[in-house]
Amino acid sequence: QKEVEQDPGPLSVPEGAIVSLNCTYSNSAFQYFMWYRQYSRKGPELLMYTYSSGNKEDGRFTAQVDKSSKYISLFIRDSQPSDSATYLCAMIRWGKLQFGAGTQVVVTP
Amino acid sequence: DTGVSQNPRHKITKRGQNVTFRCDPISEHNRLYWYRQTLGQGPEFLTYFQNEAQLEKSRLLSDRFSAERPKGSFSTLEIQRTEQGDSAMYLCASSLNRGRDTEAFFGQGTRLTVV
Repeated sequence: QKEVEQDPGPLSVPEGAIVSLNCTYSNSAFQYFMWYRQYSRKGPELLMYTYSSGNKEDGRFTAQVDKSSKYISLFIRDSQPSDSATYLCAMIRWGKLQFGAGTQVVVTP
Repeated sequence: DTGVSQNPRHKITKRGQNVTFRCDPISEHNRLYWYRQTLGQGPEFLTYFQNEAQLEKSRLLSDRFSAERPKGSFSTLEIQRTEQGDSAMYLCASSLNRGRDTEAFFGQGTRLTVV
């Protein structure tokens, strides 16, 4: 079993819909959580960084962390075709980032 | 541009040749990471540094791979006697750690093709 599980998708949504992404993890030692967006053949771009349970909002993006359930989520409101990308969750344990496999998102006009 | 810089962006090499990649982290970031990513997969940890000290190296990494960060600034990743299975995107990231881990920022990667 992988330490970080993420559904690879693809997840297809119509423009304007809410995109809902999530990851589960097995080790409670993970303390810091990040979401990255990655376009094809590009490096990952940091979207959100959180270190406590609860919600964090930044523009159209909301990150949720539930440490008791070992579950994190990312919501994208009012999705746009330019949001079409792969979204990676990542978490830090003892200074090392551990990634999920990434979820491919397609936003159709 | 003050982001993480990686060079070259693309590298095509023949099997058996050695290659070296360079990463320049964000200024004052003391942590530097190397990851490898293949198509459809998340980044896979290779190694990371705190300043010039290499703190951990993946057990999956063969002895053909070596990384250095001689002065705690830029880093190099060398692959000796390349194999076709080494073809991947090699990603570098940096972060600032002052007793607490902070967000890591990635470069655009070096895409290696071994023919």
